[in-house]
Amino acid sequence: SQTIHQWPATLVQPVGSPLSLECTVEGTSNPNLYWYRQAAGRGLQLLFYSVGIGQISSEVPQNLSASRPQDRQFILSSKKLLLSDSGFYLCAWAGSLVPEAFFGQGTRLTVV
Amino acid sequence: SQQGEEDPQALSIQEGENATMNCSYKTSINNLQWYRQNSGRGLVHLILIRSNEREKHSGRLRVTLDTSKKSSSLLITASRAADTASYFCAKRMNSGYSTLTFGKGTMLLVSP
Repeated sequence: SQTIHQWPATLVQPVGSPLSLECTVEGTSNPNLYWYRQAAGRGLQLLFYSVGIGQISSEVPQNLSASRPQDRQFILSSKKLLLSDSGFYLCAWAGSLVPEAFFGQGTRLTVV
Repeated sequence: SQQGEEDPQALSIQEGENATMNCSYKTSINNLQWYRQNSGRGLVHLILIRSNEREKHSGRLRVTLDTSKKSSSLLITASRAADTASYFCAKRMNSGYSTLTFGKGTMLLVSP
């Protein structure tokens, strides 16, 4: 069966520090991968999605970037965090033949 | 950008009552999905309805889709305290099928 791993669960980082959040999927190949951000009490904002290795589409211009170095690995990065980068970050995958998305447990990022 | 809105933003009911949440969208969809999120966790897929379907059932869940009004509703019958969560609709568009766009969600509180 397919599983998705996202870590860390919580992270407190100072302003100006770098960020790297990792997401890996097991049990499937060539998944569509997604990074979402959820502000407190708000909906999900799609940040990036990828339909294949090295293929990244950005939905919102911002201080973040994403990379997909391997088929089932999706990384969210920042060179210098801002206070406004705080939030709940969710990774998800979906198959080309399976339209629903499966989510990781999320990372709570607090920038101080 | 966010597509459409869910309403109400918050809903408070007693156990045993039915809960109805609505979702609207703006552009043509391929399918519409409903997800549940417990506080501080990832989202879990509940049910999917395709654009050529009008109604689907899954256990105590009933989803309807009205493409002429560009709206969908999720009905939870005989609600339980364990149904307390946030509920989101997500749209897969015909244009840009790879993306899955979420609304802001409805926060449901079911009191014993």
